[in-house]
Amino acid sequence: AQKITQTQPGMFVQEKEAVTLDCTYDTSDQSYGLFWYKQPSSGEMIFLIYQGSYDEQNATEGRYSLNFQKARKSANLVISASQLGDSAMYFCAMRRESNFGNEKLTFGTGTRLTIIP
Amino acid sequence: NAGVTQTPKFRVLKTGQSMTLLCAQDMNHEYMYWYRQDPGMGLRLIHYSVGEGTTAKGEVPDGYNVSRLKKQNFLLGLESAAPSQTSVYFCASSYSTLWTFSPYGYTFGSGTRLTVV
Repeated sequence: AQKITQTQPGMFVQEKEAVTLDCTYDTSDQSYGLFWYKQPSSGEMIFLIYQGSYDEQNATEGRYSLNFQKARKSANLVISASQLGDSAMYFCAMRRESNFGNEKLTFGTGTRLTIIP
Repeated sequence: NAGVTQTPKFRVLKTGQSMTLLCAQDMNHEYMYWYRQDPGMGLRLIHYSVGEGTTAKGEVPDGYNVSRLKKQNFLLGLESAAPSQTSVYFCASSYSTLWTFSPYGYTFGSGTRLTVV
């Protein structure tokens, strides 16, 4: 079974500072993918970034980067130069990638990030 | 480009009533999912489908039924609603080919907020 742990229920960060949202995972699979989604107050789920377990480089998408430490089973999201619009709930998720037809995502409990002006 | 459309967006039910949530996707995705989101618990998988005519149970299937008669539609039914089913329900879809998993994970609908009184 797969498990995602997000230990920070809430965070407050000053605008323009960098933010790290923690995510650890537990799996016995060798091939898996890790995701981060953003959920603003409007409720929709927005894809941010993806990291495959065999990717040697950390994934980056604009101001978002995923700090992937495979041995420690962590996949922290780093947001550089935070903006007020970054205030939202953030979910870490993972899926097994060892057999097709099994794309189910397992989600963490989320971290609510509030950016302070 | 509609993506994933959920109807209705809001609904209030009385205990014991039944209802069906409709999810429609226009991306020709094989896989479709129903999740529920509750405070402090993240998103939990209710049921999913890997293709037309197939369904399978997820993590929290009790009290729900699903059907996938057409590839583009995935219906979630509550036969006898209970207050414990008060939640936000998300439908999502995804694709895979023989050789790759989608690097975007899911495409989500905008959610249905259901209150059972």
